[in-house]
Amino acid sequence: RKEVEQDPGPFNVPEGATVAFNCTYSNSASQSFFWYRQDCRKEPKLLMSVYSSGNEDGRFTAQLNRASQYISLLIRDSKLSDSATYLCVVKGSNYQLIWGAGTKLIIKP
Amino acid sequence: NAGVTQTPKFQVLKTGQSMTLQCAQDMNHNSMYWYRQDPGMGLRLIYYSASEGTTDKGEVPNGYNVSRLNKREFSLRLESAAPSQTSVYFCASSKLAGGTHEQFFGPGTRLTVL
Repeated sequence: RKEVEQDPGPFNVPEGATVAFNCTYSNSASQSFFWYRQDCRKEPKLLMSVYSSGNEDGRFTAQLNRASQYISLLIRDSKLSDSATYLCVVKGSNYQLIWGAGTKLIIKP
Repeated sequence: NAGVTQTPKFQVLKTGQSMTLQCAQDMNHNSMYWYRQDPGMGLRLIYYSASEGTTDKGEVPNGYNVSRLNKREFSLRLESAAPSQTSVYFCASSKLAGGTHEQFFGPGTRLTVL
């Protein structure tokens, strides 16, 4: 089992729709969680950290479920500019970050 | 501020050739990292430098060496390139190590080994 698993997609959704991604992680001791965004042929950039109580940033909401060991990302009112690959990232036990392979999102007009 | 810069952007090598990938950051960050990204896989850590003067192996260090030249610069060297090292290489930096600080990435180097 991979340490961080994501559905690779692609998710094809119409503009304005709501889309959700899940990510599962294997290390129950993990303490820090993030979502990064990567545009095609570009570098990853931090989208948001994921806090235990859940957090929201505009149209984006991140949730953490420690009992089931997954984190989620919800995008409301999706825009064409949201098309990208979303990377789930978990802090490993040795301070290193463990990266998921990413979920590709395509927003269609 | 340029953030994190990497050179070169593209490189084609023949098996057995050597090369050095250069990385520099101007954010006064203490920690720097080298990752590789392959299709269908997450970023994998090759080496990192928690602070100036220290370097440590990551998940996939074989075939690579690194040098933390100063606080700004962190280079990655392939001594004898192999086709399995064909990948996109990203350099990143963060204020501190430990996995809780945002990592800022350079634009990447696309390396092909024939």
